[in-house]
Amino acid sequence: QVQLVQSGPEVKKPGASVKVSCKASGDTFSDNGIHWVRQAPGQGLEWMGWISPYNGNIKYAQKVQDRVTMITDTFATTAYMELRSLRSDDTAVYYCVGDYSDSGSYWGQGTLVTVSS
Amino acid sequence: DVVMTQSPLSLPVTLGQPASISCRSSQSLLSSNGDTYLNWFQQRPGQSPRRLIYKVSNRDSGVPDRFSGSGSGTDFTLKISRVEAEDVGVYYCMQGTHWPLTFGGGTKVEIK
Repeated sequence: QVQLVQSGPEVKKPGASVKVSCKASGDTFSDNGIHWVRQAPGQGLEWMGWISPYNGNIKYAQKVQDRVTMITDTFATTAYMELRSLRSDDTAVYYCVGDYSDSGSYWGQGTLVTVSS
Repeated sequence: DVVMTQSPLSLPVTLGQPASISCRSSQSLLSSNGDTYLNWFQQRPGQSPRRLIYKVSNRDSGVPDRFSGSGSGTDFTLKISRVEAEDVGVYYCMQGTHWPLTFGGGTKVEIK
């Protein structure tokens, strides 16, 4: 069974960048790729984007597309999400989600990113 | 973007009684390949979400059979046949047919 372990909490000032990592153990990421989803405090789930580690296909949500970059390493075991020009409303828990289609959907433990001056 | 509308927002239920959550999409979720990519997620307090149901009605491994999903097109339902204490949390529907993927606003299930 796949486990996704994310990097630790971050505190950033407005205008800074943050890079969150997501490491898979037990298997590599599947062809179906990795999604990134965030959840602001007390709010619902917001899809941010998706990357396929094998063909480089990427989709970003329009809300963040000018500020976000998603990549994976060449071994398809670690994914990264970088968000730039941080604002206070980027404060959220960020989740990576391994998509294994009918075989499962595996979520990381979440990474709290706090943006505060 | 496809808008996913869940109801109710809050669902107080008695232990052992059934519960039902509705999810409606602003467009049909039937894909050109014949599949309908409507998923249900459960988020218990303080935990990461986990997928319960994929493609409308398929339970993920380890999900109790008291959970069931149904629907088609734009109208979908998650049912819990007999609510247990561990079912407390927020439930989200999510469509994966159209980019960008979108979630419903969530339904909070609590025990009366």
